[in-house]
Amino acid sequence: DQQVKQNSPSLSVQEGRISILNCDYTNSMFDYFLWYKKYPAEGPTFLISISSIKDKNEDGRFTVFLNKSAKHLSLHIVPSQPGDSAVYFCAASDNNNDMRFGAGTRLTVKP
Amino acid sequence: DAGVIQSPRHEVTEMGQEVTLRCKPISGHNSLFWYRQTMMRGLELLIYFNNNVPIDDSGMPEDRFSAKMPNASFSTLKIQPSEPRDSAVYFCASSLSHGSTEAFFGQGTRLTVV
Repeated sequence: DQQVKQNSPSLSVQEGRISILNCDYTNSMFDYFLWYKKYPAEGPTFLISISSIKDKNEDGRFTVFLNKSAKHLSLHIVPSQPGDSAVYFCAASDNNNDMRFGAGTRLTVKP
Repeated sequence: DAGVIQSPRHEVTEMGQEVTLRCKPISGHNSLFWYRQTMMRGLELLIYFNNNVPIDDSGMPEDRFSAKMPNASFSTLKIQPSEPRDSAVYFCASSLSHGSTEAFFGQGTRLTVV
């Protein structure tokens, strides 16, 4: 069963606008959440994370929000740039280090 | 550090043949993960090890799949016999097992079974 879900397979935004990628999870034991970025023919690379004790973490243009009661997190990219075009994976892990990923969302930022 | 190293990068094999994928984790990392990337399920966890011990292999599709980690610096994922539906990109990742930490991925092995 899919414990981490990304329901939007793709997203297209204009350069300079905000990109919002969403993720839902079902396992209440998850306590650490991550976003990865993946370019074609490369492995995923870590982008940003958040612990379950926080509800927001910001790193430059990237901000991750966590809503534990809704079991929902989102990644905001502002302003979006063409180089941000990639597949973004949401991931969650528990205290046993079991790390699960979503299906990914393909972001396209148009110049 | 060279990062997580996977070999081969590409593998083409005939149905029924044995396939072995290899992974060298980052030195000092004590968790190792094998994932399979599919369109429908994204990065699907097959199995992960903590300190060379398999912790959860419930994601391994069938008995045709097996994984080993004989020491802290090497792991294999074997498919025997291989089938066309096994065609996918297989990723290995490693991380520190204590505390909240990210996993680092290799570049993947693209497997094609014809």
